[in-house]
Amino acid sequence: KNEVEQSPQNLTAQEGEFITINCSYSVGISALHWLQQHPGGGIVSLFMLSSGKKKHGRLIATINIQEKHSSLHITASHPRDSAVYICAVGVDGAGSYQLTFGKGTKLSVIP
Amino acid sequence: DTGVSQNPRHKITKRGQNVTFRCDPISEHNRLYWYRQTLGQGPEFLTYFQNEAQLEKSRLLSDRFSAERPKGSFSTLEIQRTEQGDSAMYLCASSQPIRGFTEAFFGQGTRLTVV
Repeated sequence: KNEVEQSPQNLTAQEGEFITINCSYSVGISALHWLQQHPGGGIVSLFMLSSGKKKHGRLIATINIQEKHSSLHITASHPRDSAVYICAVGVDGAGSYQLTFGKGTKLSVIP
Repeated sequence: DTGVSQNPRHKITKRGQNVTFRCDPISEHNRLYWYRQTLGQGPEFLTYFQNEAQLEKSRLLSDRFSAERPKGSFSTLEIQRTEQGDSAMYLCASSQPIRGFTEAFFGQGTRLTVV
């Protein structure tokens, strides 16, 4: 069973700061997902990646397959980035795609 | 079809009532998953469908829970005789293997509050 650890659990930042959230997993994966969950509860998929780096606006996600580690970076953070960020790893099994989720990192960006 | 759709987004129900949630996956996706997320935790696997067949169920899915995916399209998750411990976010995802690579997409979830 894959163990997914996120750090930090809670993060408070000043508006404009560069933010990094980390995710480590224990077993080889097919892909890694970063999700954003706002206080209202809705979940938005930010990235799905299996190697290298992806960028979308102020968000950057990287993954190191050898080290079983991924990072989510937010540049020029803004209060609207306040949310819970969840890392999930996916493994292609026998006919299914098994997802294991981390517990999430709660980010608060203060104006 | 722009993504996975879940309805309702929020549901408040009295203990003992039955509730049903719906998930509409991306149309060409043959795999559909249900997860449950309680406060402060990451989502946990409940059940999985490939087309209309329910292939896997978690031990979290007690006999009060039932899921269906008729015709391999949308899916419903029903909870009978709800309990306060059922209060959670219920999340649906769908996926499709493409040339050996699986893309998974998530719905926005249904938040259930049992009072």
